[in-house]
Amino acid sequence: QKEVEQNSGPLSVPEGAIASLNCTYSDRGSQSFFWYRQYSGKSPELIMSIYSNGDKEDGRFTAQLNKASQYVSLLIRDSQPSDSATYLCAVNIGSARQLTFGSGTQLTVLP
Amino acid sequence: GAVVSQHPSRVICKSGTSVKIECRSLDFQATTMFWYRQFPKKSLMLMATSNEGSKATYEQGVEKDKFLINHASLTLSTLTVTSAHPEDSSFYICSARDILFGTDTQYFGPGTRLTVL
Repeated sequence: QKEVEQNSGPLSVPEGAIASLNCTYSDRGSQSFFWYRQYSGKSPELIMSIYSNGDKEDGRFTAQLNKASQYVSLLIRDSQPSDSATYLCAVNIGSARQLTFGSGTQLTVLP
Repeated sequence: GAVVSQHPSRVICKSGTSVKIECRSLDFQATTMFWYRQFPKKSLMLMATSNEGSKATYEQGVEKDKFLINHASLTLSTLTVTSAHPEDSSFYICSARDILFGTDTQYFGPGTRLTVL
């Protein structure tokens, strides 16, 4: 089992819809969770960080964390074509300083 | 958010030469920086963890004598690809760890695209 798993997609949603991205992780002791967005040919850009159970909202983005079920999700409301990118879930596994990344979910928002 | 810069953004070199890539945290101090490489349409691959004032920690399979890392200050880490070969052509990305105010977040530089002829 991979330490951080994401649906590889690709995921396509129409413009204006809600895009839902999911991620599960293996280490129950993990404390820090991140979502990065990576456009083709560019480096990852931090979208959201979440550290405690529940929802965290920032504009059109909502991160959801459920430590008991070991999953973290990202919702993108009112999806725009400019949201089309690969979304990377990242977790500090255990006490490690480095992040463990999922393989990424490619999202396409159709005009 | 915190800003991380990388220089150069793109470099083309001849086989056998060495290339140095700089990674700087512009508005925060980073005791830890990370170096990744990424091939087209592939996931990020962690190469090494760069620690200020001490030796870097390399991931399994990464040649430390080929990829020299120096973290001379709290805001600068460098990666030198020595005796570069075409198979070293890749997208190299650094990140810097910001642990201010109890958070622990990595911010990425814009990346350096290396092409070895």
